[in-house]
Amino acid sequence: EAGVTQFPSHSVIEKGQTVTLRCDPISGHDNLYWYRRVMGKEIKFLLHFVKESKQDESGMPNNRFLAERTGGTYSTLKVQPAELEDSGVYFCASSQVEWTGNEQFFGPGTRLTVL
Amino acid sequence: AQTVTQSQPEMSVQEAETVTLSCTYDTSESDYYLFWYKQPPSRQMILVIRQEAYKQQNATENRFSVNFQKAAKSFSLKISDSQLGDAAMYFCAYRSRHTGANSKLTFGKGITLSVRP
Repeated sequence: EAGVTQFPSHSVIEKGQTVTLRCDPISGHDNLYWYRRVMGKEIKFLLHFVKESKQDESGMPNNRFLAERTGGTYSTLKVQPAELEDSGVYFCASSQVEWTGNEQFFGPGTRLTVL
Repeated sequence: AQTVTQSQPEMSVQEAETVTLSCTYDTSESDYYLFWYKQPPSRQMILVIRQEAYKQQNATENRFSVNFQKAAKSFSLKISDSQLGDAAMYFCAYRSRHTGANSKLTFGKGITLSVRP
Protein backbone atom coordinates (compact mmCIF):
# COMPACT_ATOMS: atom_id res chain seq x y z
CA GLU A 1 0.00 0.00 0.00
CA ALA A 2 1.41 3.38 -1.01
CA GLY A 3 1.89 5.88 1.78
CA VAL A 4 1.10 9.57 1.83
CA THR A 5 2.99 11.35 -0.93
CA GLN A 6 3.78 15.02 -1.30
CA PHE A 7 5.03 17.04 -4.23
CA PRO A 8 7.40 18.76 -4.62
CA SER A 9 9.89 17.65 -2.01
CA HIS A 10 11.60 21.03 -2.13
CA SER A 11 10.58 24.41 -3.48
CA VAL A 12 12.59 27.61 -3.56
CA ILE A 13 10.72 30.74 -4.62
CA GLU A 14 11.07 34.47 -4.42
CA LYS A 15 8.96 36.58 -2.12
CA GLY A 16 5.74 37.54 -3.88
CA GLN A 17 5.59 34.45 -6.05
CA THR A 18 2.98 31.72 -5.88
CA VAL A 19 3.59 28.11 -4.91
CA THR A 20 1.25 25.14 -4.90
CA LEU A 21 1.94 22.10 -2.76
CA ARG A 22 0.22 18.80 -3.41
CA CYS A 23 -0.65 15.94 -1.11
CA ASP A 24 -1.93 12.51 -2.09
CA PRO A 25 -3.31 10.69 0.94
CA ILE A 26 -3.48 6.96 1.40
CA SER A 27 -6.27 5.58 -0.78
CA GLY A 28 -9.55 5.41 1.12
CA HIS A 29 -8.54 7.86 3.84
CA ASP A 30 -11.29 10.43 4.24
CA ASN A 31 -9.36 12.59 6.69
CA LEU A 32 -6.56 14.78 5.40
CA TYR A 33 -4.53 17.21 7.48
CA TRP A 34 -1.99 19.89 6.69
CA TYR A 35 0.68 20.88 9.22
CA ARG A 36 3.68 23.20 9.05
CA ARG A 37 6.96 23.29 10.89
CA VAL A 38 8.93 26.51 10.91
CA MET A 39 12.62 26.01 11.69
CA GLY A 40 13.20 25.30 15.37
CA LYS A 41 9.56 25.49 16.31
CA GLU A 42 6.66 23.14 16.85
CA ILE A 43 4.78 21.41 14.09
CA LYS A 44 1.60 23.47 13.82
CA PHE A 45 -1.79 22.37 12.55
CA LEU A 46 -3.11 24.25 9.53
CA LEU A 47 -6.34 22.55 8.52
CA HIS A 48 -8.35 19.34 8.34
CA PHE A 49 -10.48 17.98 5.51
CA VAL A 50 -13.10 15.30 5.80
CA LYS A 51 -13.49 14.15 2.23
CA GLU A 52 -13.82 17.41 0.28
CA SER A 53 -15.13 19.50 3.19
CA LYS A 54 -13.02 21.68 5.45
CA GLN A 55 -13.67 20.40 8.96
CA ASP A 56 -11.32 22.76 10.75
CA GLU A 57 -9.24 25.52 9.23
CA SER A 58 -8.44 27.32 12.46
CA GLY A 59 -4.70 26.99 11.91
CA MET A 60 -4.51 28.73 8.54
CA PRO A 61 -2.28 31.76 9.13
CA ASN A 62 -3.99 34.21 6.78
CA ASN A 63 -5.86 34.55 3.50
CA ARG A 64 -2.70 34.08 1.45
CA PHE A 65 -3.14 30.37 2.06
CA LEU A 66 -5.77 28.45 0.13
CA ALA A 67 -6.36 24.73 0.53
CA GLU A 68 -8.56 22.60 -1.67
CA ARG A 69 -9.51 18.98 -1.89
CA THR A 70 -11.66 18.58 -4.95
CA GLY A 71 -13.36 15.22 -5.18
CA GLY A 72 -12.12 14.23 -1.77
CA THR A 73 -8.90 12.70 -3.06
CA TYR A 74 -5.69 14.71 -3.32
CA SER A 75 -5.30 18.13 -1.78
CA THR A 76 -3.44 21.27 -2.78
CA LEU A 77 -2.18 24.09 -0.61
CA LYS A 78 -1.51 27.32 -2.46
CA VAL A 79 0.45 30.21 -1.03
CA GLN A 80 -0.11 33.47 -2.88
CA PRO A 81 1.81 35.72 -2.59
CA ALA A 82 4.53 34.00 -0.58
CA GLU A 83 6.27 35.86 2.22
CA LEU A 84 9.58 35.15 3.95
CA GLU A 85 7.85 33.85 7.08
CA ASP A 86 6.12 31.14 5.04
CA SER A 87 9.37 29.21 4.82
CA GLY A 88 9.26 25.86 6.54
CA VAL A 89 8.33 22.23 6.05
CA TYR A 90 4.73 21.51 5.14
CA PHE A 91 3.47 18.10 6.16
CA CYS A 92 0.36 16.32 5.03
CA ALA A 93 -1.23 13.48 6.96
CA SER A 94 -4.21 11.22 6.43
CA SER A 95 -6.29 8.87 8.52
CA GLN A 96 -9.02 6.40 7.77
CA VAL A 97 -11.82 7.01 10.21
CA GLU A 98 -12.84 9.71 12.61
CA TRP A 99 -11.60 7.99 15.72
CA THR A 100 -9.34 10.43 17.44
CA GLY A 101 -6.99 7.75 18.67
CA ASN A 102 -6.47 6.59 15.14
CA GLU A 103 -3.03 6.97 13.68
CA GLN A 104 -2.37 9.81 11.31
CA PHE A 105 0.01 8.73 8.53
CA PHE A 106 2.39 11.44 7.49
CA GLY A 107 3.94 12.30 4.17
CA PRO A 108 7.64 13.18 3.81
CA GLY A 109 6.90 16.91 3.74
CA THR A 110 7.60 19.72 1.31
CA ARG A 111 10.43 22.04 2.28
CA LEU A 112 9.50 25.55 1.17
CA THR A 113 12.11 28.30 1.08
CA VAL A 114 11.01 31.84 0.33
CA LEU A 115 13.88 34.19 -0.58
CA ALA B 1 -5.72 25.56 24.34
CA GLN B 2 -3.45 22.61 24.78
CA THR B 3 0.32 22.89 24.74
CA VAL B 4 3.08 20.30 24.55
CA THR B 5 6.57 21.00 25.82
CA GLN B 6 9.75 19.13 25.00
CA SER B 7 12.46 21.06 26.80
CA GLN B 8 15.47 19.01 25.70
CA PRO B 9 16.47 19.83 22.11
CA GLU B 10 19.04 17.05 21.85
CA MET B 11 20.04 13.85 23.57
CA SER B 12 22.63 11.19 22.97
CA VAL B 13 22.73 7.55 24.01
CA GLN B 14 25.23 4.73 23.70
CA GLU B 15 24.12 1.80 21.58
CA ALA B 16 22.44 -0.91 23.72
CA GLU B 17 21.81 1.55 26.56
CA THR B 18 18.51 3.01 27.71
CA VAL B 19 17.39 6.58 27.17
CA THR B 20 14.36 8.54 28.34
CA LEU B 21 12.88 11.44 26.39
CA SER B 22 10.79 13.91 28.36
CA CYS B 23 7.50 15.54 27.47
CA THR B 24 5.03 17.58 29.46
CA TYR B 25 1.70 18.93 28.36
CA ASP B 26 -1.01 21.23 29.54
CA THR B 27 -4.73 20.69 29.07
CA SER B 28 -8.00 21.26 30.86
CA GLU B 29 -9.49 18.13 29.33
CA SER B 30 -9.69 14.85 31.17
CA ASP B 31 -9.85 12.52 28.20
CA TYR B 32 -7.30 12.60 25.41
CA TYR B 33 -4.58 10.69 23.59
CA LEU B 34 -0.84 11.15 23.71
CA PHE B 35 1.57 10.04 21.02
CA TRP B 36 5.25 9.76 20.30
CA TYR B 37 6.20 10.11 16.66
CA LYS B 38 9.63 9.42 15.19
CA GLN B 39 11.11 11.11 12.12
CA PRO B 40 14.35 9.51 10.89
CA PRO B 41 16.62 11.73 8.78
CA SER B 42 15.05 12.47 5.40
CA ARG B 43 12.20 10.07 6.04
CA GLN B 44 8.55 10.20 6.96
CA MET B 45 7.28 10.63 10.47
CA ILE B 46 5.92 7.40 11.91
CA LEU B 47 3.97 6.58 15.03
CA VAL B 48 6.03 4.97 17.78
CA ILE B 49 3.54 4.60 20.58
CA ARG B 50 0.12 5.80 21.72
CA GLN B 51 -1.34 6.26 25.21
CA GLU B 52 -5.00 6.72 26.06
CA ALA B 53 -5.41 9.03 29.03
CA TYR B 54 -8.20 7.00 30.61
CA LYS B 55 -5.96 3.94 30.80
CA GLN B 56 -3.75 3.76 33.85
CA GLN B 57 -1.45 1.14 32.37
CA ASN B 58 1.56 2.53 30.55
CA ALA B 59 1.73 1.63 26.86
CA THR B 60 4.57 -0.52 25.57
CA GLU B 61 5.69 -1.45 22.07
CA ASN B 62 8.65 -3.81 22.07
CA ARG B 63 11.67 -1.71 23.17
CA PHE B 64 9.57 1.43 23.54
CA SER B 65 7.56 2.23 26.64
CA VAL B 66 6.06 5.31 28.20
CA ASN B 67 5.82 6.66 31.71
CA PHE B 68 2.45 8.40 31.79
CA GLN B 69 1.83 10.53 34.87
CA LYS B 70 -1.60 12.08 34.35
CA ALA B 71 -1.64 14.23 37.48
CA ALA B 72 1.77 15.65 36.66
CA LYS B 73 0.87 15.92 32.94
CA SER B 74 4.03 14.13 32.04
CA PHE B 75 4.53 11.64 29.20
CA SER B 76 8.09 10.38 28.79
CA LEU B 77 9.34 7.82 26.28
CA LYS B 78 11.83 5.17 27.29
CA ILE B 79 13.86 3.42 24.62
CA SER B 80 15.58 0.28 25.84
CA ASP B 81 18.52 -1.45 24.16
CA SER B 82 19.04 1.53 21.86
CA GLN B 83 19.92 0.74 18.27
CA LEU B 84 21.56 2.84 15.57
CA GLY B 85 18.23 2.92 13.75
CA ASP B 86 16.66 4.75 16.68
CA ALA B 87 18.55 7.89 15.75
CA ALA B 88 15.86 10.36 14.72
CA MET B 89 13.84 13.34 15.77
CA TYR B 90 11.12 12.42 18.24
CA PHE B 91 7.94 14.41 18.62
CA CYS B 92 5.49 14.24 21.48
CA ALA B 93 1.90 15.01 20.49
CA TYR B 94 -1.51 15.49 22.08
CA ARG B 95 -4.96 14.90 20.66
CA SER B 96 -8.34 15.51 22.20
CA ARG B 97 -10.58 12.48 22.47
CA HIS B 98 -13.47 14.46 21.08
CA THR B 99 -14.15 14.02 17.38
CA GLY B 100 -14.64 16.69 14.80
CA ALA B 101 -12.93 20.02 15.09
CA ASN B 102 -10.69 18.90 17.89
CA SER B 103 -9.07 15.97 16.09
CA LYS B 104 -5.87 17.83 15.20
CA LEU B 105 -2.54 16.89 16.74
CA THR B 106 -0.70 19.39 18.94
CA PHE B 107 3.05 18.81 18.82
CA GLY B 108 6.08 19.68 20.90
CA LYS B 109 9.23 21.09 19.32
CA GLY B 110 10.84 17.69 19.06
CA ILE B 111 14.07 16.23 20.33
CA THR B 112 16.96 15.00 18.25
CA LEU B 113 18.27 11.68 19.48
CA SER B 114 21.68 10.47 18.39
CA VAL B 115 22.95 6.94 19.04
CA ARG B 116 26.68 6.39 19.55
CA PRO B 117 28.07 3.07 18.26
